[in-house]
Amino acid sequence: GNSVTQMEGPVTLSEEAFLTINCTYTATGYPSLFWYVQYPGEGLQLLLKATKADDKGSNKGFEATYRKETTSFHLEKGSVQVSDSAVYFCALTPLGGSYIPTFGRGTSLIVHP
Amino acid sequence: NAGVTQTPKFQVLKTGQSMTLQCAQDMNHNSMYWYRQDPGMGLRLIYYSASEGTTDKGEVPNGYNVSRLNKREFSLRLESAAPSQTSVYFCASQITRTGRDGYTFGSGTRLTVV
Repeated sequence: GNSVTQMEGPVTLSEEAFLTINCTYTATGYPSLFWYVQYPGEGLQLLLKATKADDKGSNKGFEATYRKETTSFHLEKGSVQVSDSAVYFCALTPLGGSYIPTFGRGTSLIVHP
Repeated sequence: NAGVTQTPKFQVLKTGQSMTLQCAQDMNHNSMYWYRQDPGMGLRLIYYSASEGTTDKGEVPNGYNVSRLNKREFSLRLESAAPSQTSVYFCASQITRTGRDGYTFGSGTRLTVV
């Protein structure tokens, strides 16, 4: 079956530090890949997506590149802010079948001033 | 504002009581979903509706029922609440079931069963 593995959190950084949150997946074919962000007390929000190999999704300074050869979709940001503190979820939607997404367990990010 | 609206935001139930969680979207999306989120368990799919008139079980359907009332509305019913159903419930929608655009989530219903 399909699976998404994210690095364990929490990830704790100082403001303006570089962020990487690792995400690897297992799926057949070419799934669509997503990052969602969840702020405290809120629902998940779509942050960025990529639908084919070598695509780069980007939004609000965050980027992730669809790497088919390493089955990865790592999230990066060059300079984090306190306001980026949240839980980040990696997810895939398979190509075909029921199209039901598989979510990772989430990685908590804490950014200190 | 366009989006997914869930009601209520908070609810406390006694064991054995019933309730319906409401979800409505105004984005003309075809597919709608109910998830529960528990600490350490991530998101688990309860039921989904790929299109108006259809519903299917997800990963954890026991103890729940759903109704796709029309294209906009998708409700989740707990017939006899149990403490194990204490959770945060999220409704989500997407334009089609093929999932290339990603979900839009509601802000959640925080349910406690005592």
